[in-house]
Amino acid sequence: AQRVTQPEKLLSVFKGAPVELKCNYSYSGSPELFWYVQYSRQRLQLLLRHISRESIKGFTADLNKGETSFHLKKPFAQEEDSAMYYCALGRAQKLVFGQGTRLTINP
Amino acid sequence: EADIYQTPRYLVIGTGKKITLECSQTMGHDKMYWYQQDPGMELHLIHYSYGVNSTEKGDLSSESTVSRIRTEHFPLTLESARPSHTSQYLCASTDGHFGELFFGEGSRLTVL
Repeated sequence: AQRVTQPEKLLSVFKGAPVELKCNYSYSGSPELFWYVQYSRQRLQLLLRHISRESIKGFTADLNKGETSFHLKKPFAQEEDSAMYYCALGRAQKLVFGQGTRLTINP
Repeated sequence: EADIYQTPRYLVIGTGKKITLECSQTMGHDKMYWYQQDPGMELHLIHYSYGVNSTEKGDLSSESTVSRIRTEHFPLTLESARPSHTSQYLCASTDGHFGELFFGEGSRLTVL
């Protein structure tokens, strides 16, 4: 069965420190992976997708098929990065979401 | 303005009542979805539609039903609400650039 696991429900780091939000998946086919973000009082929105290999707001994520991981990273955290982050796996035109990680950036 | 709208945003009702959560999008998207989300938990897909007159059940079993009579409209109905239906319901749509779902603001339902 397809599954997305985000092992950390809460993550707190200081401003300027590196950030890594972990995501592991289980899927037998070729995965399509995404990160979604929900800022306070805003809607859930797409942050980035693995196929684009892009950096959005300083965040990057690399698909590691050997480790079945898609961790989200940013070298220097900013206070505005505080939000809820969801990793998602795409299959058959549907998305399976992980439980989410609440990231708090301390000043 | 192209957007996706959900009403009501908040609803508190008694057990046994019938409710409909509305979802409308003005982006012309064919694909629409309903997710259920309990606090601190993942989003679970409960219904989806790939176009008019097309509806399917999602991964999470739900007693709710949906309809898709018009492209822009995808309402969700509970015939007889129960406390176990208390949750947040998120509606989303996409134009086929799969992976980029556009979400509504959500409807938070509380059943007493």
